[in-house]
Amino acid sequence: QQQVKQSPQSLIVQKGGISIINCAYENTAFDYFPWYQQFPGKGPALLIAIRPDVSEKKEGRFTISFNKSAKQFSLHIMDSQPGDSATYFCAASMGTGRRALTFGSGTRLQVQP
Amino acid sequence: DTGVSQDPRHKITKRGQNVTFRCDPISEHNRLYWYRQTLGQGPEFLTYFQNEAQLEKSRLLSDRFSAERPKGSFSTLEIQRTEQGDSAMYLCASSSMDRTGELFFGEGSRLTVL
Repeated sequence: QQQVKQSPQSLIVQKGGISIINCAYENTAFDYFPWYQQFPGKGPALLIAIRPDVSEKKEGRFTISFNKSAKQFSLHIMDSQPGDSATYFCAASMGTGRRALTFGSGTRLQVQP
Repeated sequence: DTGVSQDPRHKITKRGQNVTFRCDPISEHNRLYWYRQTLGQGPEFLTYFQNEAQLEKSRLLSDRFSAERPKGSFSTLEIQRTEQGDSAMYLCASSSMDRTGELFFGEGSRLTVL
């Protein structure tokens, strides 16, 4: 199975709050899990990525938590800002990213001031 | 900044016509990908190239779709006999060999089939 399931579809968070987006995958051969951020009219841009040998990766206000046994990973945005308002996509790939990415359906995040 | 560029940005065509999109990747990147994105959905993989070799094609890519990357630089995606269901944003991305998981996307070519 190549599917990556993402939730929620949309999310509204107050400024300064924590945004949490979840993804689940089925294919245990996936070994690379990036998150992409997309603003309207733009292509997606890589935000942060993790490989399954670690359970957490943090870059600034963005953290990926990875649960290999549950086949789930999530994006946490701490101290959410209005500028974070965008659509976020999780993705997965095999071959440590050498194979094509399979994307989730996206989460539209709105951070209210 | 020489990012990924796509042309045209918008294309409106009538059903049954052929359309072609062009993608110029970041110059030092030897991997090039085509994705399709419809409203409210994530990018859907179509095909990718490593240099001039087309290494993978999605089963979703019908015979009406063809992609080329003749000299391992720019790529074209042609859709023949367009259908209304082909209306979407066509995204191109590129990556380098040492960071294959990091895709740099262009802003896309939006196709509307009337």
